[in-house]
Amino acid sequence: GQNIDQPTEMTATEGAIVQINCTYQTSGFNGLFWYQQHAGEAPTFLSYNVLDGLEEKGRFSSFLSRSKGYSYLLLKELQMKDSASYLCAVRDRRGSGGYNKLIFGAGTRLAVHP
Amino acid sequence: DTEVTQTPKHLVMGMTNKKSLKCEQHMGHRAMYWYKQKAKKPPELMFVYSYEKLSINESVPSRFSPECPNSSLLNLHLHALQPEDSALYLCASSPSVQTNSPLHFGNGTRLTVT
Repeated sequence: GQNIDQPTEMTATEGAIVQINCTYQTSGFNGLFWYQQHAGEAPTFLSYNVLDGLEEKGRFSSFLSRSKGYSYLLLKELQMKDSASYLCAVRDRRGSGGYNKLIFGAGTRLAVHP
Repeated sequence: DTEVTQTPKHLVMGMTNKKSLKCEQHMGHRAMYWYKQKAKKPPELMFVYSYEKLSINESVPSRFSPECPNSSLLNLHLHALQPEDSALYLCASSPSVQTNSPLHFGNGTRLTVT
């Protein structure tokens, strides 16, 4: 089966650093994505990991350990606009045609306070 | 600005109505998707089209009928919906179903069934 776990809510202070964890169980792991979603808006792509290690993109970094089924998203120099839900999504190989199904976690709602 | 355009942004319909949701992208992507998202829940996959052919139907009730008239357009026809079908309906696209490129999401249609 497939299972993705992330904390439901987190709070942090403007200017600080926050780490959002994601653990997953899947039979055909083929990459992990992080998306940001503001309330009532579309998810927007933040980062992608398929190999172990850290990927850095400006204020955002994402880490993956395939052996542990674990990823985290690190947000630095937090800004008020970073208040949003952060969705961990795992791509799972599935069936014929090479279709890779994207399975979303429930998301972590981050509130950034002044 | 999102490169995937969905219309309408909001839709209110009765249980006996017939309506359609529309999605358009001009990025040359050959895979298009419909997701359903309830409040504070992750997006759930409904349908996948690859090269204008239906590839995946995630056991969606027949009151939802997808259509892909051409490589740029994706429709979702709605008929005899139930109040529990009220949700945010997200369209997404990617270069192909095999790619590990991220999905590009539209801003969604917020549907209310009365």
